Amino acid sequence: AQSVTQPDIHITVSEGASLELRCNYSYGATPYLFWYVQSPGQGLQLLLKYFSGDTLVQGIKGFEAEFKRSQSSFNLRKPSVHWSDAAEYFCAVGAHDRGSTLGRLYFGRGTQLTVWP
Amino acid sequence: EAGVAQSPRYKIIEKRQSVAFWCNPISGHATLYWYQQILGQGPKLLIQFQNNGVVDDSQLPKDRFSAERLKGVDSTLKIQPAKLEDSAVYLCASSLAKVRSSYNSPLHFGNGTRLTVT
Repeated sequence: AQSVTQPDIHITVSEGASLELRCNYSYGATPYLFWYVQSPGQGLQLLLKYFSGDTLVQGIKGFEAEFKRSQSSFNLRKPSVHWSDAAEYFCAVGAHDRGSTLGRLYFGRGTQLTVWP
Repeated sequence: EAGVAQSPRYKIIEKRQSVAFWCNPISGHATLYWYQQILGQGPKLLIQFQNNGVVDDSQLPKDRFSAERLKGVDSTLKIQPAKLEDSAVYLCASSLAKVRSSYNSPLHFGNGTRLTVT
């Protein structure tokens, strides 16, 4: 079965520090991978996505993520965090259930990011 | 472009009562989704529409949840009767996606409706 694991529930970093949010997935085929961000009281906003090709993808707000097939990972990174980056971050994999032609997004449980001034 | 609109933003009801949520997707988006987001968890798909037809409701608790999308635009999600475990944020999303590759196109989410069942 498809699954997404975000091992860190809560991360705290200082403003200006670098950031890496971890994401591991379980899926038999080549996955479609996404990172979404959710600010308090808001819906989810797409940061970036990976479908194929270059394994390092660039997103909005200065974020990037690297797909590593050997590690089944799709970690999100930012070289210098801003206070406005404080939010909850969700990794998701787009996949088909076995025997189904329907695609569906499976979300991880999320990582809450706190930024210290 | 206008985003996905949802109402109400908050709702508090007692268990066994009924409740309904409304969603207006982005204009031109044929695919509409309802997600349930329980505190501390990621969103879970409840139901997916392509125009006004249901294409995936495998995770919808059909004994108490129902949804419709009349005329292929607005959608309503209803819970009757509500249980304590239904307390969650209900997110509506829309996309330009075709059904068979429904995850290929980005989802645009509304701000959600926070439901508290007491």
